[in-house]
Amino acid sequence: DIQMTQSPSSLAAFVGDRVTITCRASQSISTYLNWYQQKPGKAPKLLIYAASNLQSGVPSRFSGSGSGTDFTLSISSLQPEDFATYYCQQSYSTPMYTFGQGTRLESK
Amino acid sequence: EVQLVESGGGLVQPGGSLRLSCAASGFIFRSYEMNWVRQAPGKGLEWVSYISDSGSTIYYADSVKGRFTISRDNAKNSLYLQMNSLRAEDTAVYYCARDWFGQIDYWGQGTPVTVSS
Repeated sequence: DIQMTQSPSSLAAFVGDRVTITCRASQSISTYLNWYQQKPGKAPKLLIYAASNLQSGVPSRFSGSGSGTDFTLSISSLQPEDFATYYCQQSYSTPMYTFGQGTRLESK
Repeated sequence: EVQLVESGGGLVQPGGSLRLSCAASGFIFRSYEMNWVRQAPGKGLEWVSYISDSGSTIYYADSVKGRFTISRDNAKNSLYLQMNSLRAEDTAVYYCARDWFGQIDYWGQGTPVTVSS
């Protein structure tokens, strides 16, 4: 099984900050990596697919990069509505998907 | 507008059974692969099961293999998850999720399942 490890597990930041979250795969997954945002009590929302492609309707302050085993999700200028938990997901072993453990982004 | 509406969750005793349903609308259901994903209280996301658009190809996570059965009725635009021999560790919110080339582009609101005596 492909394991996905996110860092950090939690992060505190100010509105306006640039934030970066990292996801590492236990083996090379090319660019088969997706990012989701989840707010409390809500379903996850797809932000980035195939490592760097912005899902329709997602603000351009979100971006993704990486390939192989190391990936990043960046938020260029944090907005109040961005405080949430973020998950990466590998789709290399489709459809046996695995998710990272999540990164909780909190307001400082 | 794409909508996925789950139902069928609830409280069940260990060893019991439950059948979850997901009603899909706003898209051509028979053309999409579908998944169930769950989230235990305070925990992360766990993929549970996948079914192809025709229903001919099915996969399960090891944690549920042999106990859960995924199915679909394309005539009724519905996805199902039959859960048998339920355990405390199956307690979670279960999401119906549309698959789009390996990413999940739409999620239902989730239905909670609690396994407890």
